[in-house]
Amino acid sequence: EPEVTQTPSHQVTQMGQEVILRCVPISNHLYFYWYRQILGQKVEFLVSFYNNEISEKSEIFDDQFSVERPDGSNFTLKIRSTKLEDSAMYFCASSATGGKLFFGSGTQLSVL
Amino acid sequence: KNEVEQSPQNLTAQEGEFITINCSYSVGISALHWLQQHPGGGIVSLFMLSSGKKKHGRLIATINIQEKHSSLHITASHPRDSAVYICAVQKTSYDKVIFGPGTSLSVIP
Repeated sequence: EPEVTQTPSHQVTQMGQEVILRCVPISNHLYFYWYRQILGQKVEFLVSFYNNEISEKSEIFDDQFSVERPDGSNFTLKIRSTKLEDSAMYFCASSATGGKLFFGSGTQLSVL
Repeated sequence: KNEVEQSPQNLTAQEGEFITINCSYSVGISALHWLQQHPGGGIVSLFMLSSGKKKHGRLIATINIQEKHSSLHITASHPRDSAVYICAVQKTSYDKVIFGPGTSLSVIP
């Protein structure tokens, strides 16, 4: 079965640093999503992306965050000036027609 | 109030038992997803439902749109079924998925 690939699997950074989380969605998928899960909490929606534009973003997705498709295949989530509370597992997901979701294995971000 | 609720929050079962996890939601939806999250953190889609019932192996998912309720059943449970099972809903086909809090299942040999 095709896979969504996320890199890195783990990222440790100092507070205030910028991090870029990368995702390679399944090639023919059109809808892309970033979610995060703080330890012990439920998965939260961050942002959705369609047709090279943000289609929806949550209250969490403030000016500190940005998403891009730099080369038409990769899909990145950038967090500027990380905070301690940004420590979480970040998941990328994609779907072909807005139906079944395929998730990446996640990036565990630790902000020290 | 959370838009998606699940019960129970935690569940321990003996190997071989029949397991039911319940999900209720408060919004109109186009689809409901059942997902499995393993201890390592990865999330796998088990089912996507808009009506009726679906079966895959030992897993069965049902949904009652009128009652805004869904159930996930596991027959002949096995220790490898131990995971967190998450119910999630979509208001439209292209909308974000809204996650429930998950049900942590442990199946003991």
